[in-house]
Amino acid sequence: DQQVKQNSPSLSVQEGRISILNCDYTNSMFDYFLWYKKYPAEGPTFLISISSIKDKNEDGRFTVFLNKSAKHLSLHIVPSQPGDSAVYFCAASEGFLGSGTYKYIFGTGTRLKVLA
Amino acid sequence: EAGVAQSPRYKIIEKRQSVAFWCNPISGHATLYWYQQILGQGPKLLIQFQNNGVVDDSQLPKDRFSAERLKGVDSTLKIQPAKLEDSAVYLCASSLGTGGRNSPLHFGNGTRLTVT
Repeated sequence: DQQVKQNSPSLSVQEGRISILNCDYTNSMFDYFLWYKKYPAEGPTFLISISSIKDKNEDGRFTVFLNKSAKHLSLHIVPSQPGDSAVYFCAASEGFLGSGTYKYIFGTGTRLKVLA
Repeated sequence: EAGVAQSPRYKIIEKRQSVAFWCNPISGHATLYWYQQILGQGPKLLIQFQNNGVVDDSQLPKDRFSAERLKGVDSTLKIQPAKLEDSAVYLCASSLGTGGRNSPLHFGNGTRLTVT
């Protein structure tokens, strides 16, 4: 049962244009969402996050939008640059009841290619 | 701040052999995670430690996989005996707190395991 889904395995965008990466989730108990970027032969790098009490978080060229009613989040990159070419994973966090700890569940990733 | 250190970077073994991976988290990070990432998939949590106690090992194949985190710092993940389907990248991550808001995961570069 895939609780976090990224339905687009790949995306190509022209340099300077907007990249939009999408993620859907099924578990309404998720309360914290993150985006990670992964280059080949490296571990995922934290990019941006959003709490379930917000609907938007912005950091420079990166903005994450959360639509809780649709159980959908998206990452917008504006303007896209060739260095943004990587695999992007969304992740969702759920607290373990009573333990104070959280578990993170990852999507399958979207490979973004920014064309110069 | 130094990142999460993992070794070795690559390992090739034959099926039924054993292998061990080592992880040194970011200094001061209480929570340590081992993820398995099979090609084309997102990272899947194998085991999560808080300090030196196990928080979640529900997806760890305990008949062949074991992990420990001595003194709440370094951790080792062992596979014995290995199967072909264990071929994957094994990622170690750590977080400052117990996860959740304002406590994203920081990943190491992973160990790529090939079982022949």
